[in-house]
Amino acid sequence: GQSLEQPSEVTAVEGAIVQINCTYQTSGFYGLSWYQQHDGGAPTFLSYNALDGLEETGRFSSFLSRSDSYGYLLLQELQMKDSASYFCAVRDTDYNYGQNFVFGPGTRLSVLP
Amino acid sequence: GAVVSQHPSRVICKSGTSVKIECRSLDFQATTMFWYRQFPKQSLMLMATSNEGSKATYEQGVEKDKFLINHASLTLSTLTVTSAHPEDSSFYICSAQSSGRSNTGELFFGEGSRLTVL
Repeated sequence: GQSLEQPSEVTAVEGAIVQINCTYQTSGFYGLSWYQQHDGGAPTFLSYNALDGLEETGRFSSFLSRSDSYGYLLLQELQMKDSASYFCAVRDTDYNYGQNFVFGPGTRLSVLP
Repeated sequence: GAVVSQHPSRVICKSGTSVKIECRSLDFQATTMFWYRQFPKQSLMLMATSNEGSKATYEQGVEKDKFLINHASLTLSTLTVTSAHPEDSSFYICSAQSSGRSNTGELFFGEGSRLTVL
């Protein structure tokens, strides 16, 4: 079966650093993506790790350890606009014409002033 | 960046009617599109994977006769909810993968369609 785990909620203050963890058990693994979704909106892509290590994109960084089936999203210098739900998603297959993604349950981040 | 347009954004219909939702990739070709369903404050549940020119692949538990998916061109996929009932009320989101960026782990999402069945 496929299962991903994330904390359901995280709260932090403006300017702080927060880490959102994701553990997974999937039938296949080709990479781990992170998405941000504001209430009522569409998910937007943040980052993708196919190999072990840290990927940095501005204030956001993502880490992957394939041997531990674990990854995290690190958000630095938190801003109020970062309040949203964050989903990890495992790319678990490699079709000829596409990829299949399984999404985690999501972590709701609340940034306080 | 790549843009995916989904229409309509909101639809209210009577029980027993059918509703069609369109998903278009505006500036890229999408050989694969995905349809998700999302309940309030919950995750995205994959319903089906749609490949251009072939039948959709449905996830376990999703009724293919209830949720008809057509991917007639490289830029358009449609989801038709047939004989809709109140339990079909949900937020439906499509996503597309650019055929030229199939190894980036990035999906481009439509704005979503909120279906309310009375």
